[in-house]
Order: sequence, then structure tokens, then C-alpha cells
Amino acid sequence: AIQLTQSPSSLSAYVGDRVTITCRASQGIGSALAWYQQKPGKPPKLLIYDASSLESEVPSRFSGGGSGTDFALTISSLQPEDFATYYCQQFDNYPRTFGHGTKVDIK
Amino acid sequence: EVQLLESGGGLVQPGGSLRLSCAASGFSFRSWAMSWVRQAPGKGLEWVSGISAGGNTTNYADSVKGRFTISRDNYKNTLYLQMNSLRAEDTAVYYCAKRRYGDYDYWGQGTLVTVSS
Repeated sequence: AIQLTQSPSSLSAYVGDRVTITCRASQGIGSALAWYQQKPGKPPKLLIYDASSLESEVPSRFSGGGSGTDFALTISSLQPEDFATYYCQQFDNYPRTFGHGTKVDIK
Repeated sequence: EVQLLESGGGLVQPGGSLRLSCAASGFSFRSWAMSWVRQAPGKGLEWVSGISAGGNTTNYADSVKGRFTISRDNYKNTLYLQMNSLRAEDTAVYYCAKRRYGDYDYWGQGTLVTVSS
């Protein structure tokens, strides 16, 4: 199974900060990667698909990049509603796999 | 509006069985692949199983292969997960999710399965 390693596992940041989360795949997956945001007690919400395409109605401060094995999710200016846990997911191969998550909290 | 509503969760003893359902509405259910994803308490997301739009192709995580069976009824707009030989480590919130290109664009609210004696 393809392993996805997210870094960091957690981070603390101020409102207005630029935040970058990385996701490294154990083998090349092209652009078959998605990013999700999850808040406590809620299901995940799709933010980015195909590594860099912004899902409809997701604020433009979110962006994704990368291909092959190295990917990144960037929040250009962190807002109060962005404090959550973020997951990457690959859909190049079965079984589908998720990263272990990055928790973003308030500094 | 797309809605996915899971049901069937609850408390079950180790070795027991449970069947989860996911009622879909607001989209052409028969046209889209679907999946189950679970989340153990305080843990991350784990993909469990997926099924093609027509129901003829299924895939499973190694952790559930041979114990869980995914199926769908495109006339009833419902996705199922039959879970047998349940173990404590299967305790989780189970989400059904609509698969788009490979990502999951809609998720249900989840149903909690607790495996304990």
C-alpha cells in the first residue's frame, strides 16, 4: 500500500499566518492526491483535488501543489475558521490511503 | 442538495455482525462509485472499502478483507457495509462517501460502531 507521510503532525499559528503542510508519498502517484479539512465531530470536507485544483466554494486562500511524490497544501492567510485537522489522500492505487493528519491550532 | 445518511451503527460484541446502510439523495446514485471510510476515536481517517457505480467492482482494505462486504442497491439509492467477525479495532465512526474522480466530494455525518464485550 502507498504510504502518505504528512508533516508536521501539528502546528500552532496566528491568524494571518501563511501555513504550509506537506505530504510525501512512498511511490509516485502523479497528481492523484486530494486534501481534506476536518473539524471535531464533523465529516471531512474536500478542499483540493488532483493535487492543485480548488474545490468549488472553497476559499482561494487554500492552494495545493506538487506531483509525483511530494505535495503541499498552503493556506495563504490563516483565518479563525481554518483551525482544524488536514488530511491528504491518494487515489492512484488501491487501497486508497490517507495521511495521518496535521492539526492546526491557535498560537 | 446531496445527502448521505448512514444508519445501523451500535454496540456489538467481538465476533458479532452488523450491517451499515447509507441512504443517498440529491444526485444520480447509480452513476457514481461509493466508499466507506472509518475513523477510530481520536485517530485519523482509514479507507475501508469501495464499490463501482454498477456494483460489479469492489475493493477492500487489507484490515477488513474477508470480513466486510460492500454492496449497493441502485433502485433503493442505498449503499451497504456488511461487517462480520467484528473486532475491538473495528470500533470507529463509519462514513459513507461519494467518489468523484478518486477524491470524495460528499460525506455523510457518520455512524458509530462500538465493538466491546
